[in-house]
Amino acid sequence: EAGVAQSPRYKIIEKRQSVAFWCNPISGHATLYWYQQILGQGPKLLIQFQNNGVVDDSQLPKDRFSAERLKGVDSTLKIQPAKLEDSAVYLCASSSRAYGYTFGSGTRLTVV
Amino acid sequence: DQQVKQNSPSLSVQEGRISILNCDYTNSMFDYFLWYKKYPAEGPTFLISISSIKDKNEDGRFTVFLNKSAKHLSLHIVPSQPGDSAVYFCAALKMNRDDKIIFGKGTRLHILP
Repeated sequence: EAGVAQSPRYKIIEKRQSVAFWCNPISGHATLYWYQQILGQGPKLLIQFQNNGVVDDSQLPKDRFSAERLKGVDSTLKIQPAKLEDSAVYLCASSSRAYGYTFGSGTRLTVV
Repeated sequence: DQQVKQNSPSLSVQEGRISILNCDYTNSMFDYFLWYKKYPAEGPTFLISISSIKDKNEDGRFTVFLNKSAKHLSLHIVPSQPGDSAVYFCAALKMNRDDKIIFGKGTRLHILP
């Protein structure tokens, strides 16, 4: 089975610019997660979708971050405007049940 | 408030010896504990898990031990191999509507030749 696809792999932007990340989950996985992993820390959940509905976005900085999952398949995560502290790896994961998370390779964002 | 703690940022072990990675947690309601392995420039991959009703789970060279009274779990790798060099994340899961996994900060394991 194909894995979780993410793009781009790397992105460098200036602060106050906007950026968007894309995720294509494993086919048939109803649940999709976006995690932020800052260097030296474990992944932190930003948002969780069940199909195209949001289950948990309590740790998403909603003043600058937004995410959507149109038609319950692909998802995009946007940051607008970016801050220096947003530099991190953004991981997408999908599962048919949380026990079997599969992560994508991540997008490494550097904000300068 | 960290619910899953990995207090050792890094660990170096001689090839062929046992690697022991430790993890502590604060929430006694977790149902499963999981270990993920992460290589640079790749996403974390699932390694092994243990249900909260068990105290040991073994899979090849990997064994996870759970001590519920101490709220502590450990991952043993025997024998350690060069390919085991990676960052290991301890994670915990409470099975409910959310099924949200909470990760520790990770421990970087170096296997020395």
